[in-house]
Amino acid sequence: SYELTQPPSVSVSPGQTARITCSGDALPKKYAYWYQQKSGQAPVLVIYEDSKRPSGIPERFSGSSSGTMATLTISGAQVEDEADYYCYSTDSSGKEVFGGGTKLTVL
Amino acid sequence: QVQLVQSGAEVKKPGASVKVSCKASGYTFTSYGISWVRQAPGQGLEWMGWISAYNGNTNYAQKLQGRVTMTTDTSTSTAYMELRSLRSDDTAVYYCARDKEYFDYWGQGTLVTVSS
Repeated sequence: SYELTQPPSVSVSPGQTARITCSGDALPKKYAYWYQQKSGQAPVLVIYEDSKRPSGIPERFSGSSSGTMATLTISGAQVEDEADYYCYSTDSSGKEVFGGGTKLTVL
Repeated sequence: QVQLVQSGAEVKKPGASVKVSCKASGYTFTSYGISWVRQAPGQGLEWMGWISAYNGNTNYAQKLQGRVTMTTDTSTSTAYMELRSLRSDDTAVYYCARDKEYFDYWGQGTLVTVSS
């Protein structure tokens, strides 16, 4: 079955840039999406179609994709950005899949 | 405003079935699909499957094929997810999410506990 691979954890100090990667064989042909999930809450979409930001999401969140890797970048990470982040995409047959998630620590 | 409101928490015994509902409001129900996503305690998100609210077409995750059924009732703008032959590792929070290429609105989640 198709898999998206993320690092389990990323840690930065406040104001630094956090980068979270997501690798998958189908990413050259499929969009990546990114969700933020804070403890006890439903996920929130922060990036769609590789690099687009939904309304209401701070400009410090950006996304990019090249080859088999998509990247979520948080420029000037804030303490309130501490959360679990999941990439999401589809495989060639339309099955939807999440990455394993990355715990972002900002301290 | 768009809202997805799910049914309440459930406790089931192994081997039983559970049916979770997701009532949509604030948009044209048949213009979007509904996906179901679950999250076991302390674990990541797992996509379970998708249903078109327009025509009822479904697409289930391979590992749940044969145990899960997703349906919709367009008269009440409600989606349903039924999971059968429950096991302890089905204990999770179950979410519905509006799906049109991606999930933009989510329900509040329904905790399903499977325990003898």
